[in-house]
Amino acid sequence: EIVLTQSPGTLSLSPGERATLSCRASQSVTSSYLAWYQQKPGQAPRLLIYGASSRATGIPDRFSGSESGTDFTLTISRLEPEDFAVYYCQQYGSSPYTFGQGTKLEIK
Amino acid sequence: QVQLQESGPGLVKPSGTLSLTCAVSGDSISSVNWWNWVRQPPGKGLEWIGKIFHSGSTNYNPSLKSRLTISVDKSKNQFSLKLSSVTAADTAVYYCARVGGYSSAYQYFDSWGQGTLVTVSS
Repeated sequence: EIVLTQSPGTLSLSPGERATLSCRASQSVTSSYLAWYQQKPGQAPRLLIYGASSRATGIPDRFSGSESGTDFTLTISRLEPEDFAVYYCQQYGSSPYTFGQGTKLEIK
Repeated sequence: QVQLQESGPGLVKPSGTLSLTCAVSGDSISSVNWWNWVRQPPGKGLEWIGKIFHSGSTNYNPSLKSRLTISVDKSKNQFSLKLSSVTAADTAVYYCARVGGYSSAYQYFDSWGQGTLVTVSS
């Protein structure tokens, strides 16, 4: 199975700053089938990005995704207070679908 | 707008069977989507459990396959999860989720239930 490793484990930033979250796959992800989710305490995850770089419906354009080989990046251009949460990447190119361990984005 | 709602016992005894149902509204279980289960142990990350299509076709995570059954009830527009021989390691919030479509390109989770905590304890 494909192992996804997210870094950093915790990212401490201030509102208005730029956030860069990384997700590295242990092998090639078929056709860039990688998604990003945001999860707040007590809530289900919310889809942000699919296909490595396509924003889901209703997601603000400050969220963007990119890829370079087996490295995927979620960028939040200017952090809003509601963006502080845990972020997960997920590959769906091969079964079993797998998630990264998460990056916690906290207020500095 | 699709809504998913999990239901089932919140406490299961060790060696017993965990049973959950996901009721779907706002979409037909017979649509072109696969219907999934995902779980999250307290304070930990997400694990995909498996999925089912309305035809009954399934795809399970190999780590759970020997203990897992996912089924669909088209008459009630719902699908279900049964996990046997449970241990404390199966304690988690269980989510049902819909993917974006039928083909591989759409197997991201675009709609989720609120989740239900299942504790395995005597």
